[in-house]
Amino acid sequence: GAGVSQSPSNKVTEKGKDVELRCDPISGHTALYWYRQSLGQGLEFLIYFQGNSAPDKSGLPSDRFSAERTGGSVSTLTIQRTQQEDSAVYLCASTRGGASTGELFFGEGSRLTVL
Amino acid sequence: AQSVTQLGSHVSVSEGALVLLRCNYSSSVPPYLFWYVQYPNQGLQLLLKYTTGATLVKGINGFEAEFKKSETSFHLTKPSAHMSDAAEYFCAVSIYNNNDMRFGAGTRLTVKP
Repeated sequence: GAGVSQSPSNKVTEKGKDVELRCDPISGHTALYWYRQSLGQGLEFLIYFQGNSAPDKSGLPSDRFSAERTGGSVSTLTIQRTQQEDSAVYLCASTRGGASTGELFFGEGSRLTVL
Repeated sequence: AQSVTQLGSHVSVSEGALVLLRCNYSSSVPPYLFWYVQYPNQGLQLLLKYTTGATLVKGINGFEAEFKKSETSFHLTKPSAHMSDAAEYFCAVSIYNNNDMRFGAGTRLTVKP
């Protein structure tokens, strides 16, 4: 597609349930990022994929969070046993190279509400 | 690790007035600096960036920012605000050969008629 696509755009779930959020990056972009945007907190880095290299998971807040990227394209962020504090907008971004000098292209985000 | 601080979570200006959004960075090595904008119900998009060279950089929609090493700042300005500038603005920093891009908390700009 023309841009980064994320689904679902909105997800309401009950505390303790697992959720999966999907990101389809721009074709040809080798780098993919997940960020979390909470009210008043800015963008919190979660995880970074670059090609076939091992992902940088240093931003994942707990072991309930995991992400994978299949075939160097689509990525799925999984949150297990969701908690109310997981409520946020989860943003995916991709770029052709790395973020250091390049432009990140963002999707519109997946808004997660945990009741 | 590098970081940015945005001063003021909300800024309100009148249409036609100067826009000034403040960003200060912290980095042990020369930084790369960015401003992104998020319009309502849209994804973030790049406004402008500084990597090397000229310290005054111009971006889209009449915005510009100046890298001031002595002040560790990268403030965003626009001479005359337009209603369509109402959005949330994020400052971000990365460093050479490091893909850890850190964002500030954001500043919401309101433009009054």
